[in-house]
Amino acid sequence: QVQLAESGGGVVQPGTSLRLSCVASGFPFRSYGMHWVRQAPGKGLQCVATISFDGSNRYYADSVKGRFTVSRDNSKNTLFLQLSSLRAEDTAMYYCAKDRGEGGGFDSWGQGTLVTVSS
Amino acid sequence: DIVMTQSPDSLAVSLGERATINCKSGQSVLHRSNNQNYLAWYQHKPGLPPKLLIHWASTRESGVPDRFSGSGSETDFTLTISNLQAEDVAVYYCQQYYSLPTFGQGTRVEI
Repeated sequence: QVQLAESGGGVVQPGTSLRLSCVASGFPFRSYGMHWVRQAPGKGLQCVATISFDGSNRYYADSVKGRFTVSRDNSKNTLFLQLSSLRAEDTAMYYCAKDRGEGGGFDSWGQGTLVTVSS
Repeated sequence: DIVMTQSPDSLAVSLGERATINCKSGQSVLHRSNNQNYLAWYQHKPGLPPKLLIHWASTRESGVPDRFSGSGSETDFTLTISNLQAEDVAVYYCQQYYSLPTFGQGTRVEI
């Protein structure tokens, strides 16, 4: 079955960087677009980054554009999110999610990794 | 970005009754090329990742009970939970994927 496992979260100071990883298994990773979705404490869901199946297209929410970079290594079935210039408002649970394919939403999610930005 | 607005923010429903959640998009999410609405519904329970319930506005995911149903087109959509069960207590989100995916603010369903 599809499994997504995030890692790399932690407590960091404002202005610093962090790299999140998401290891995928149970499906042909190289064939699907992938997404990073976050949920800040007490808030709703926000899709912060999207990457196409081959990495040729990447999209970002305005709130993270220029600070976050999404990438993937299809040879290692791994999705990444590089977070830079972190702010307190980036504190959230970060989930990776698999695109259903041909549109259709996000049909599989990891358990999430928590990022806390605090001085 | 397409803004998604849900109503109400929360609702309390008796067991066995119906819950209705509305979602309005800032622009049409109907793709004319395939006549599909690029609209999904998710269920999110505390401590768990979100779960996709419905895609294409009205197509249930495999394994989702048929008491969950979606309807609507273009800019106005509805998620209906018939015969509400205790395990349906959660926050429900609509999402458009016509462009960069965006979610509604969520609707909390309680008993």
